[in-house]
Amino acid sequence: DTGVSQDPRHKITKRGQNVTFRCDPISEHNRLYWYRQTLGQGPEFLTYFQNEAQLEKSRLLSDRFSAERPKGSFSTLEIQRTEQGDSAMYLCASVRGQSSGANVLTFGAGSRLTVL
Amino acid sequence: AQTVTQSQPEMSVQEAETVTLSCTYDTSESDYYLFWYKQPPSRQMILVIRQEAYKQQNATENRFSVNFQKAAKSFSLKISDSQLGDAAMYFCAYRSAMGAGTALIFGKGTTLSVSS
Repeated sequence: DTGVSQDPRHKITKRGQNVTFRCDPISEHNRLYWYRQTLGQGPEFLTYFQNEAQLEKSRLLSDRFSAERPKGSFSTLEIQRTEQGDSAMYLCASVRGQSSGANVLTFGAGSRLTVL
Repeated sequence: AQTVTQSQPEMSVQEAETVTLSCTYDTSESDYYLFWYKQPPSRQMILVIRQEAYKQQNATENRFSVNFQKAAKSFSLKISDSQLGDAAMYFCAYRSAMGAGTALIFGKGTTLSVSS
């Protein structure tokens, strides 16, 4: 396993539909992050898992968003009743670490969502 | 709350020349980490360089170096001998040293173009 994989790379959907993104982190990485990046902006933190536990959620993560990481392996990010404002790149990143903030996140290539 | 500001939306440089990208941040913490990430068009974000706040010595990675001014809360990136492959969006990011899983906080990015 050479990197963080995200699927699909691009999703086009109509407003009101549900979408799900998958992230497969590097296998030995216990921490997994989801970020959202809109055009011309920096990534914004959405949520974070340590193993299977979701430890932190941003205010950006509305009730329509849900993330899971069953068994501490891959993770899914689901958006229900999509809105045009949800159009963005959804980035996944993972890291192996315990207490050091110096550990470097490895990012996936992202899943781009376009809501029509 | 911590913030990261990149005041240069776009920068340009000629091949073989040197360019400096600016970044300032705001925090009340004394221990933290700073990063520069590179995001080429349609490709994943990769780490360029990392600086620990407790280290006074500026980090260097080949053609990339930083000027870390802790008192001024400034963290600029210098790219020497610029290459066409350096063209990308560059993000400055902050991470607290408090807590095992604190998320990266990104600036809005600087788009660097390199001309031959």
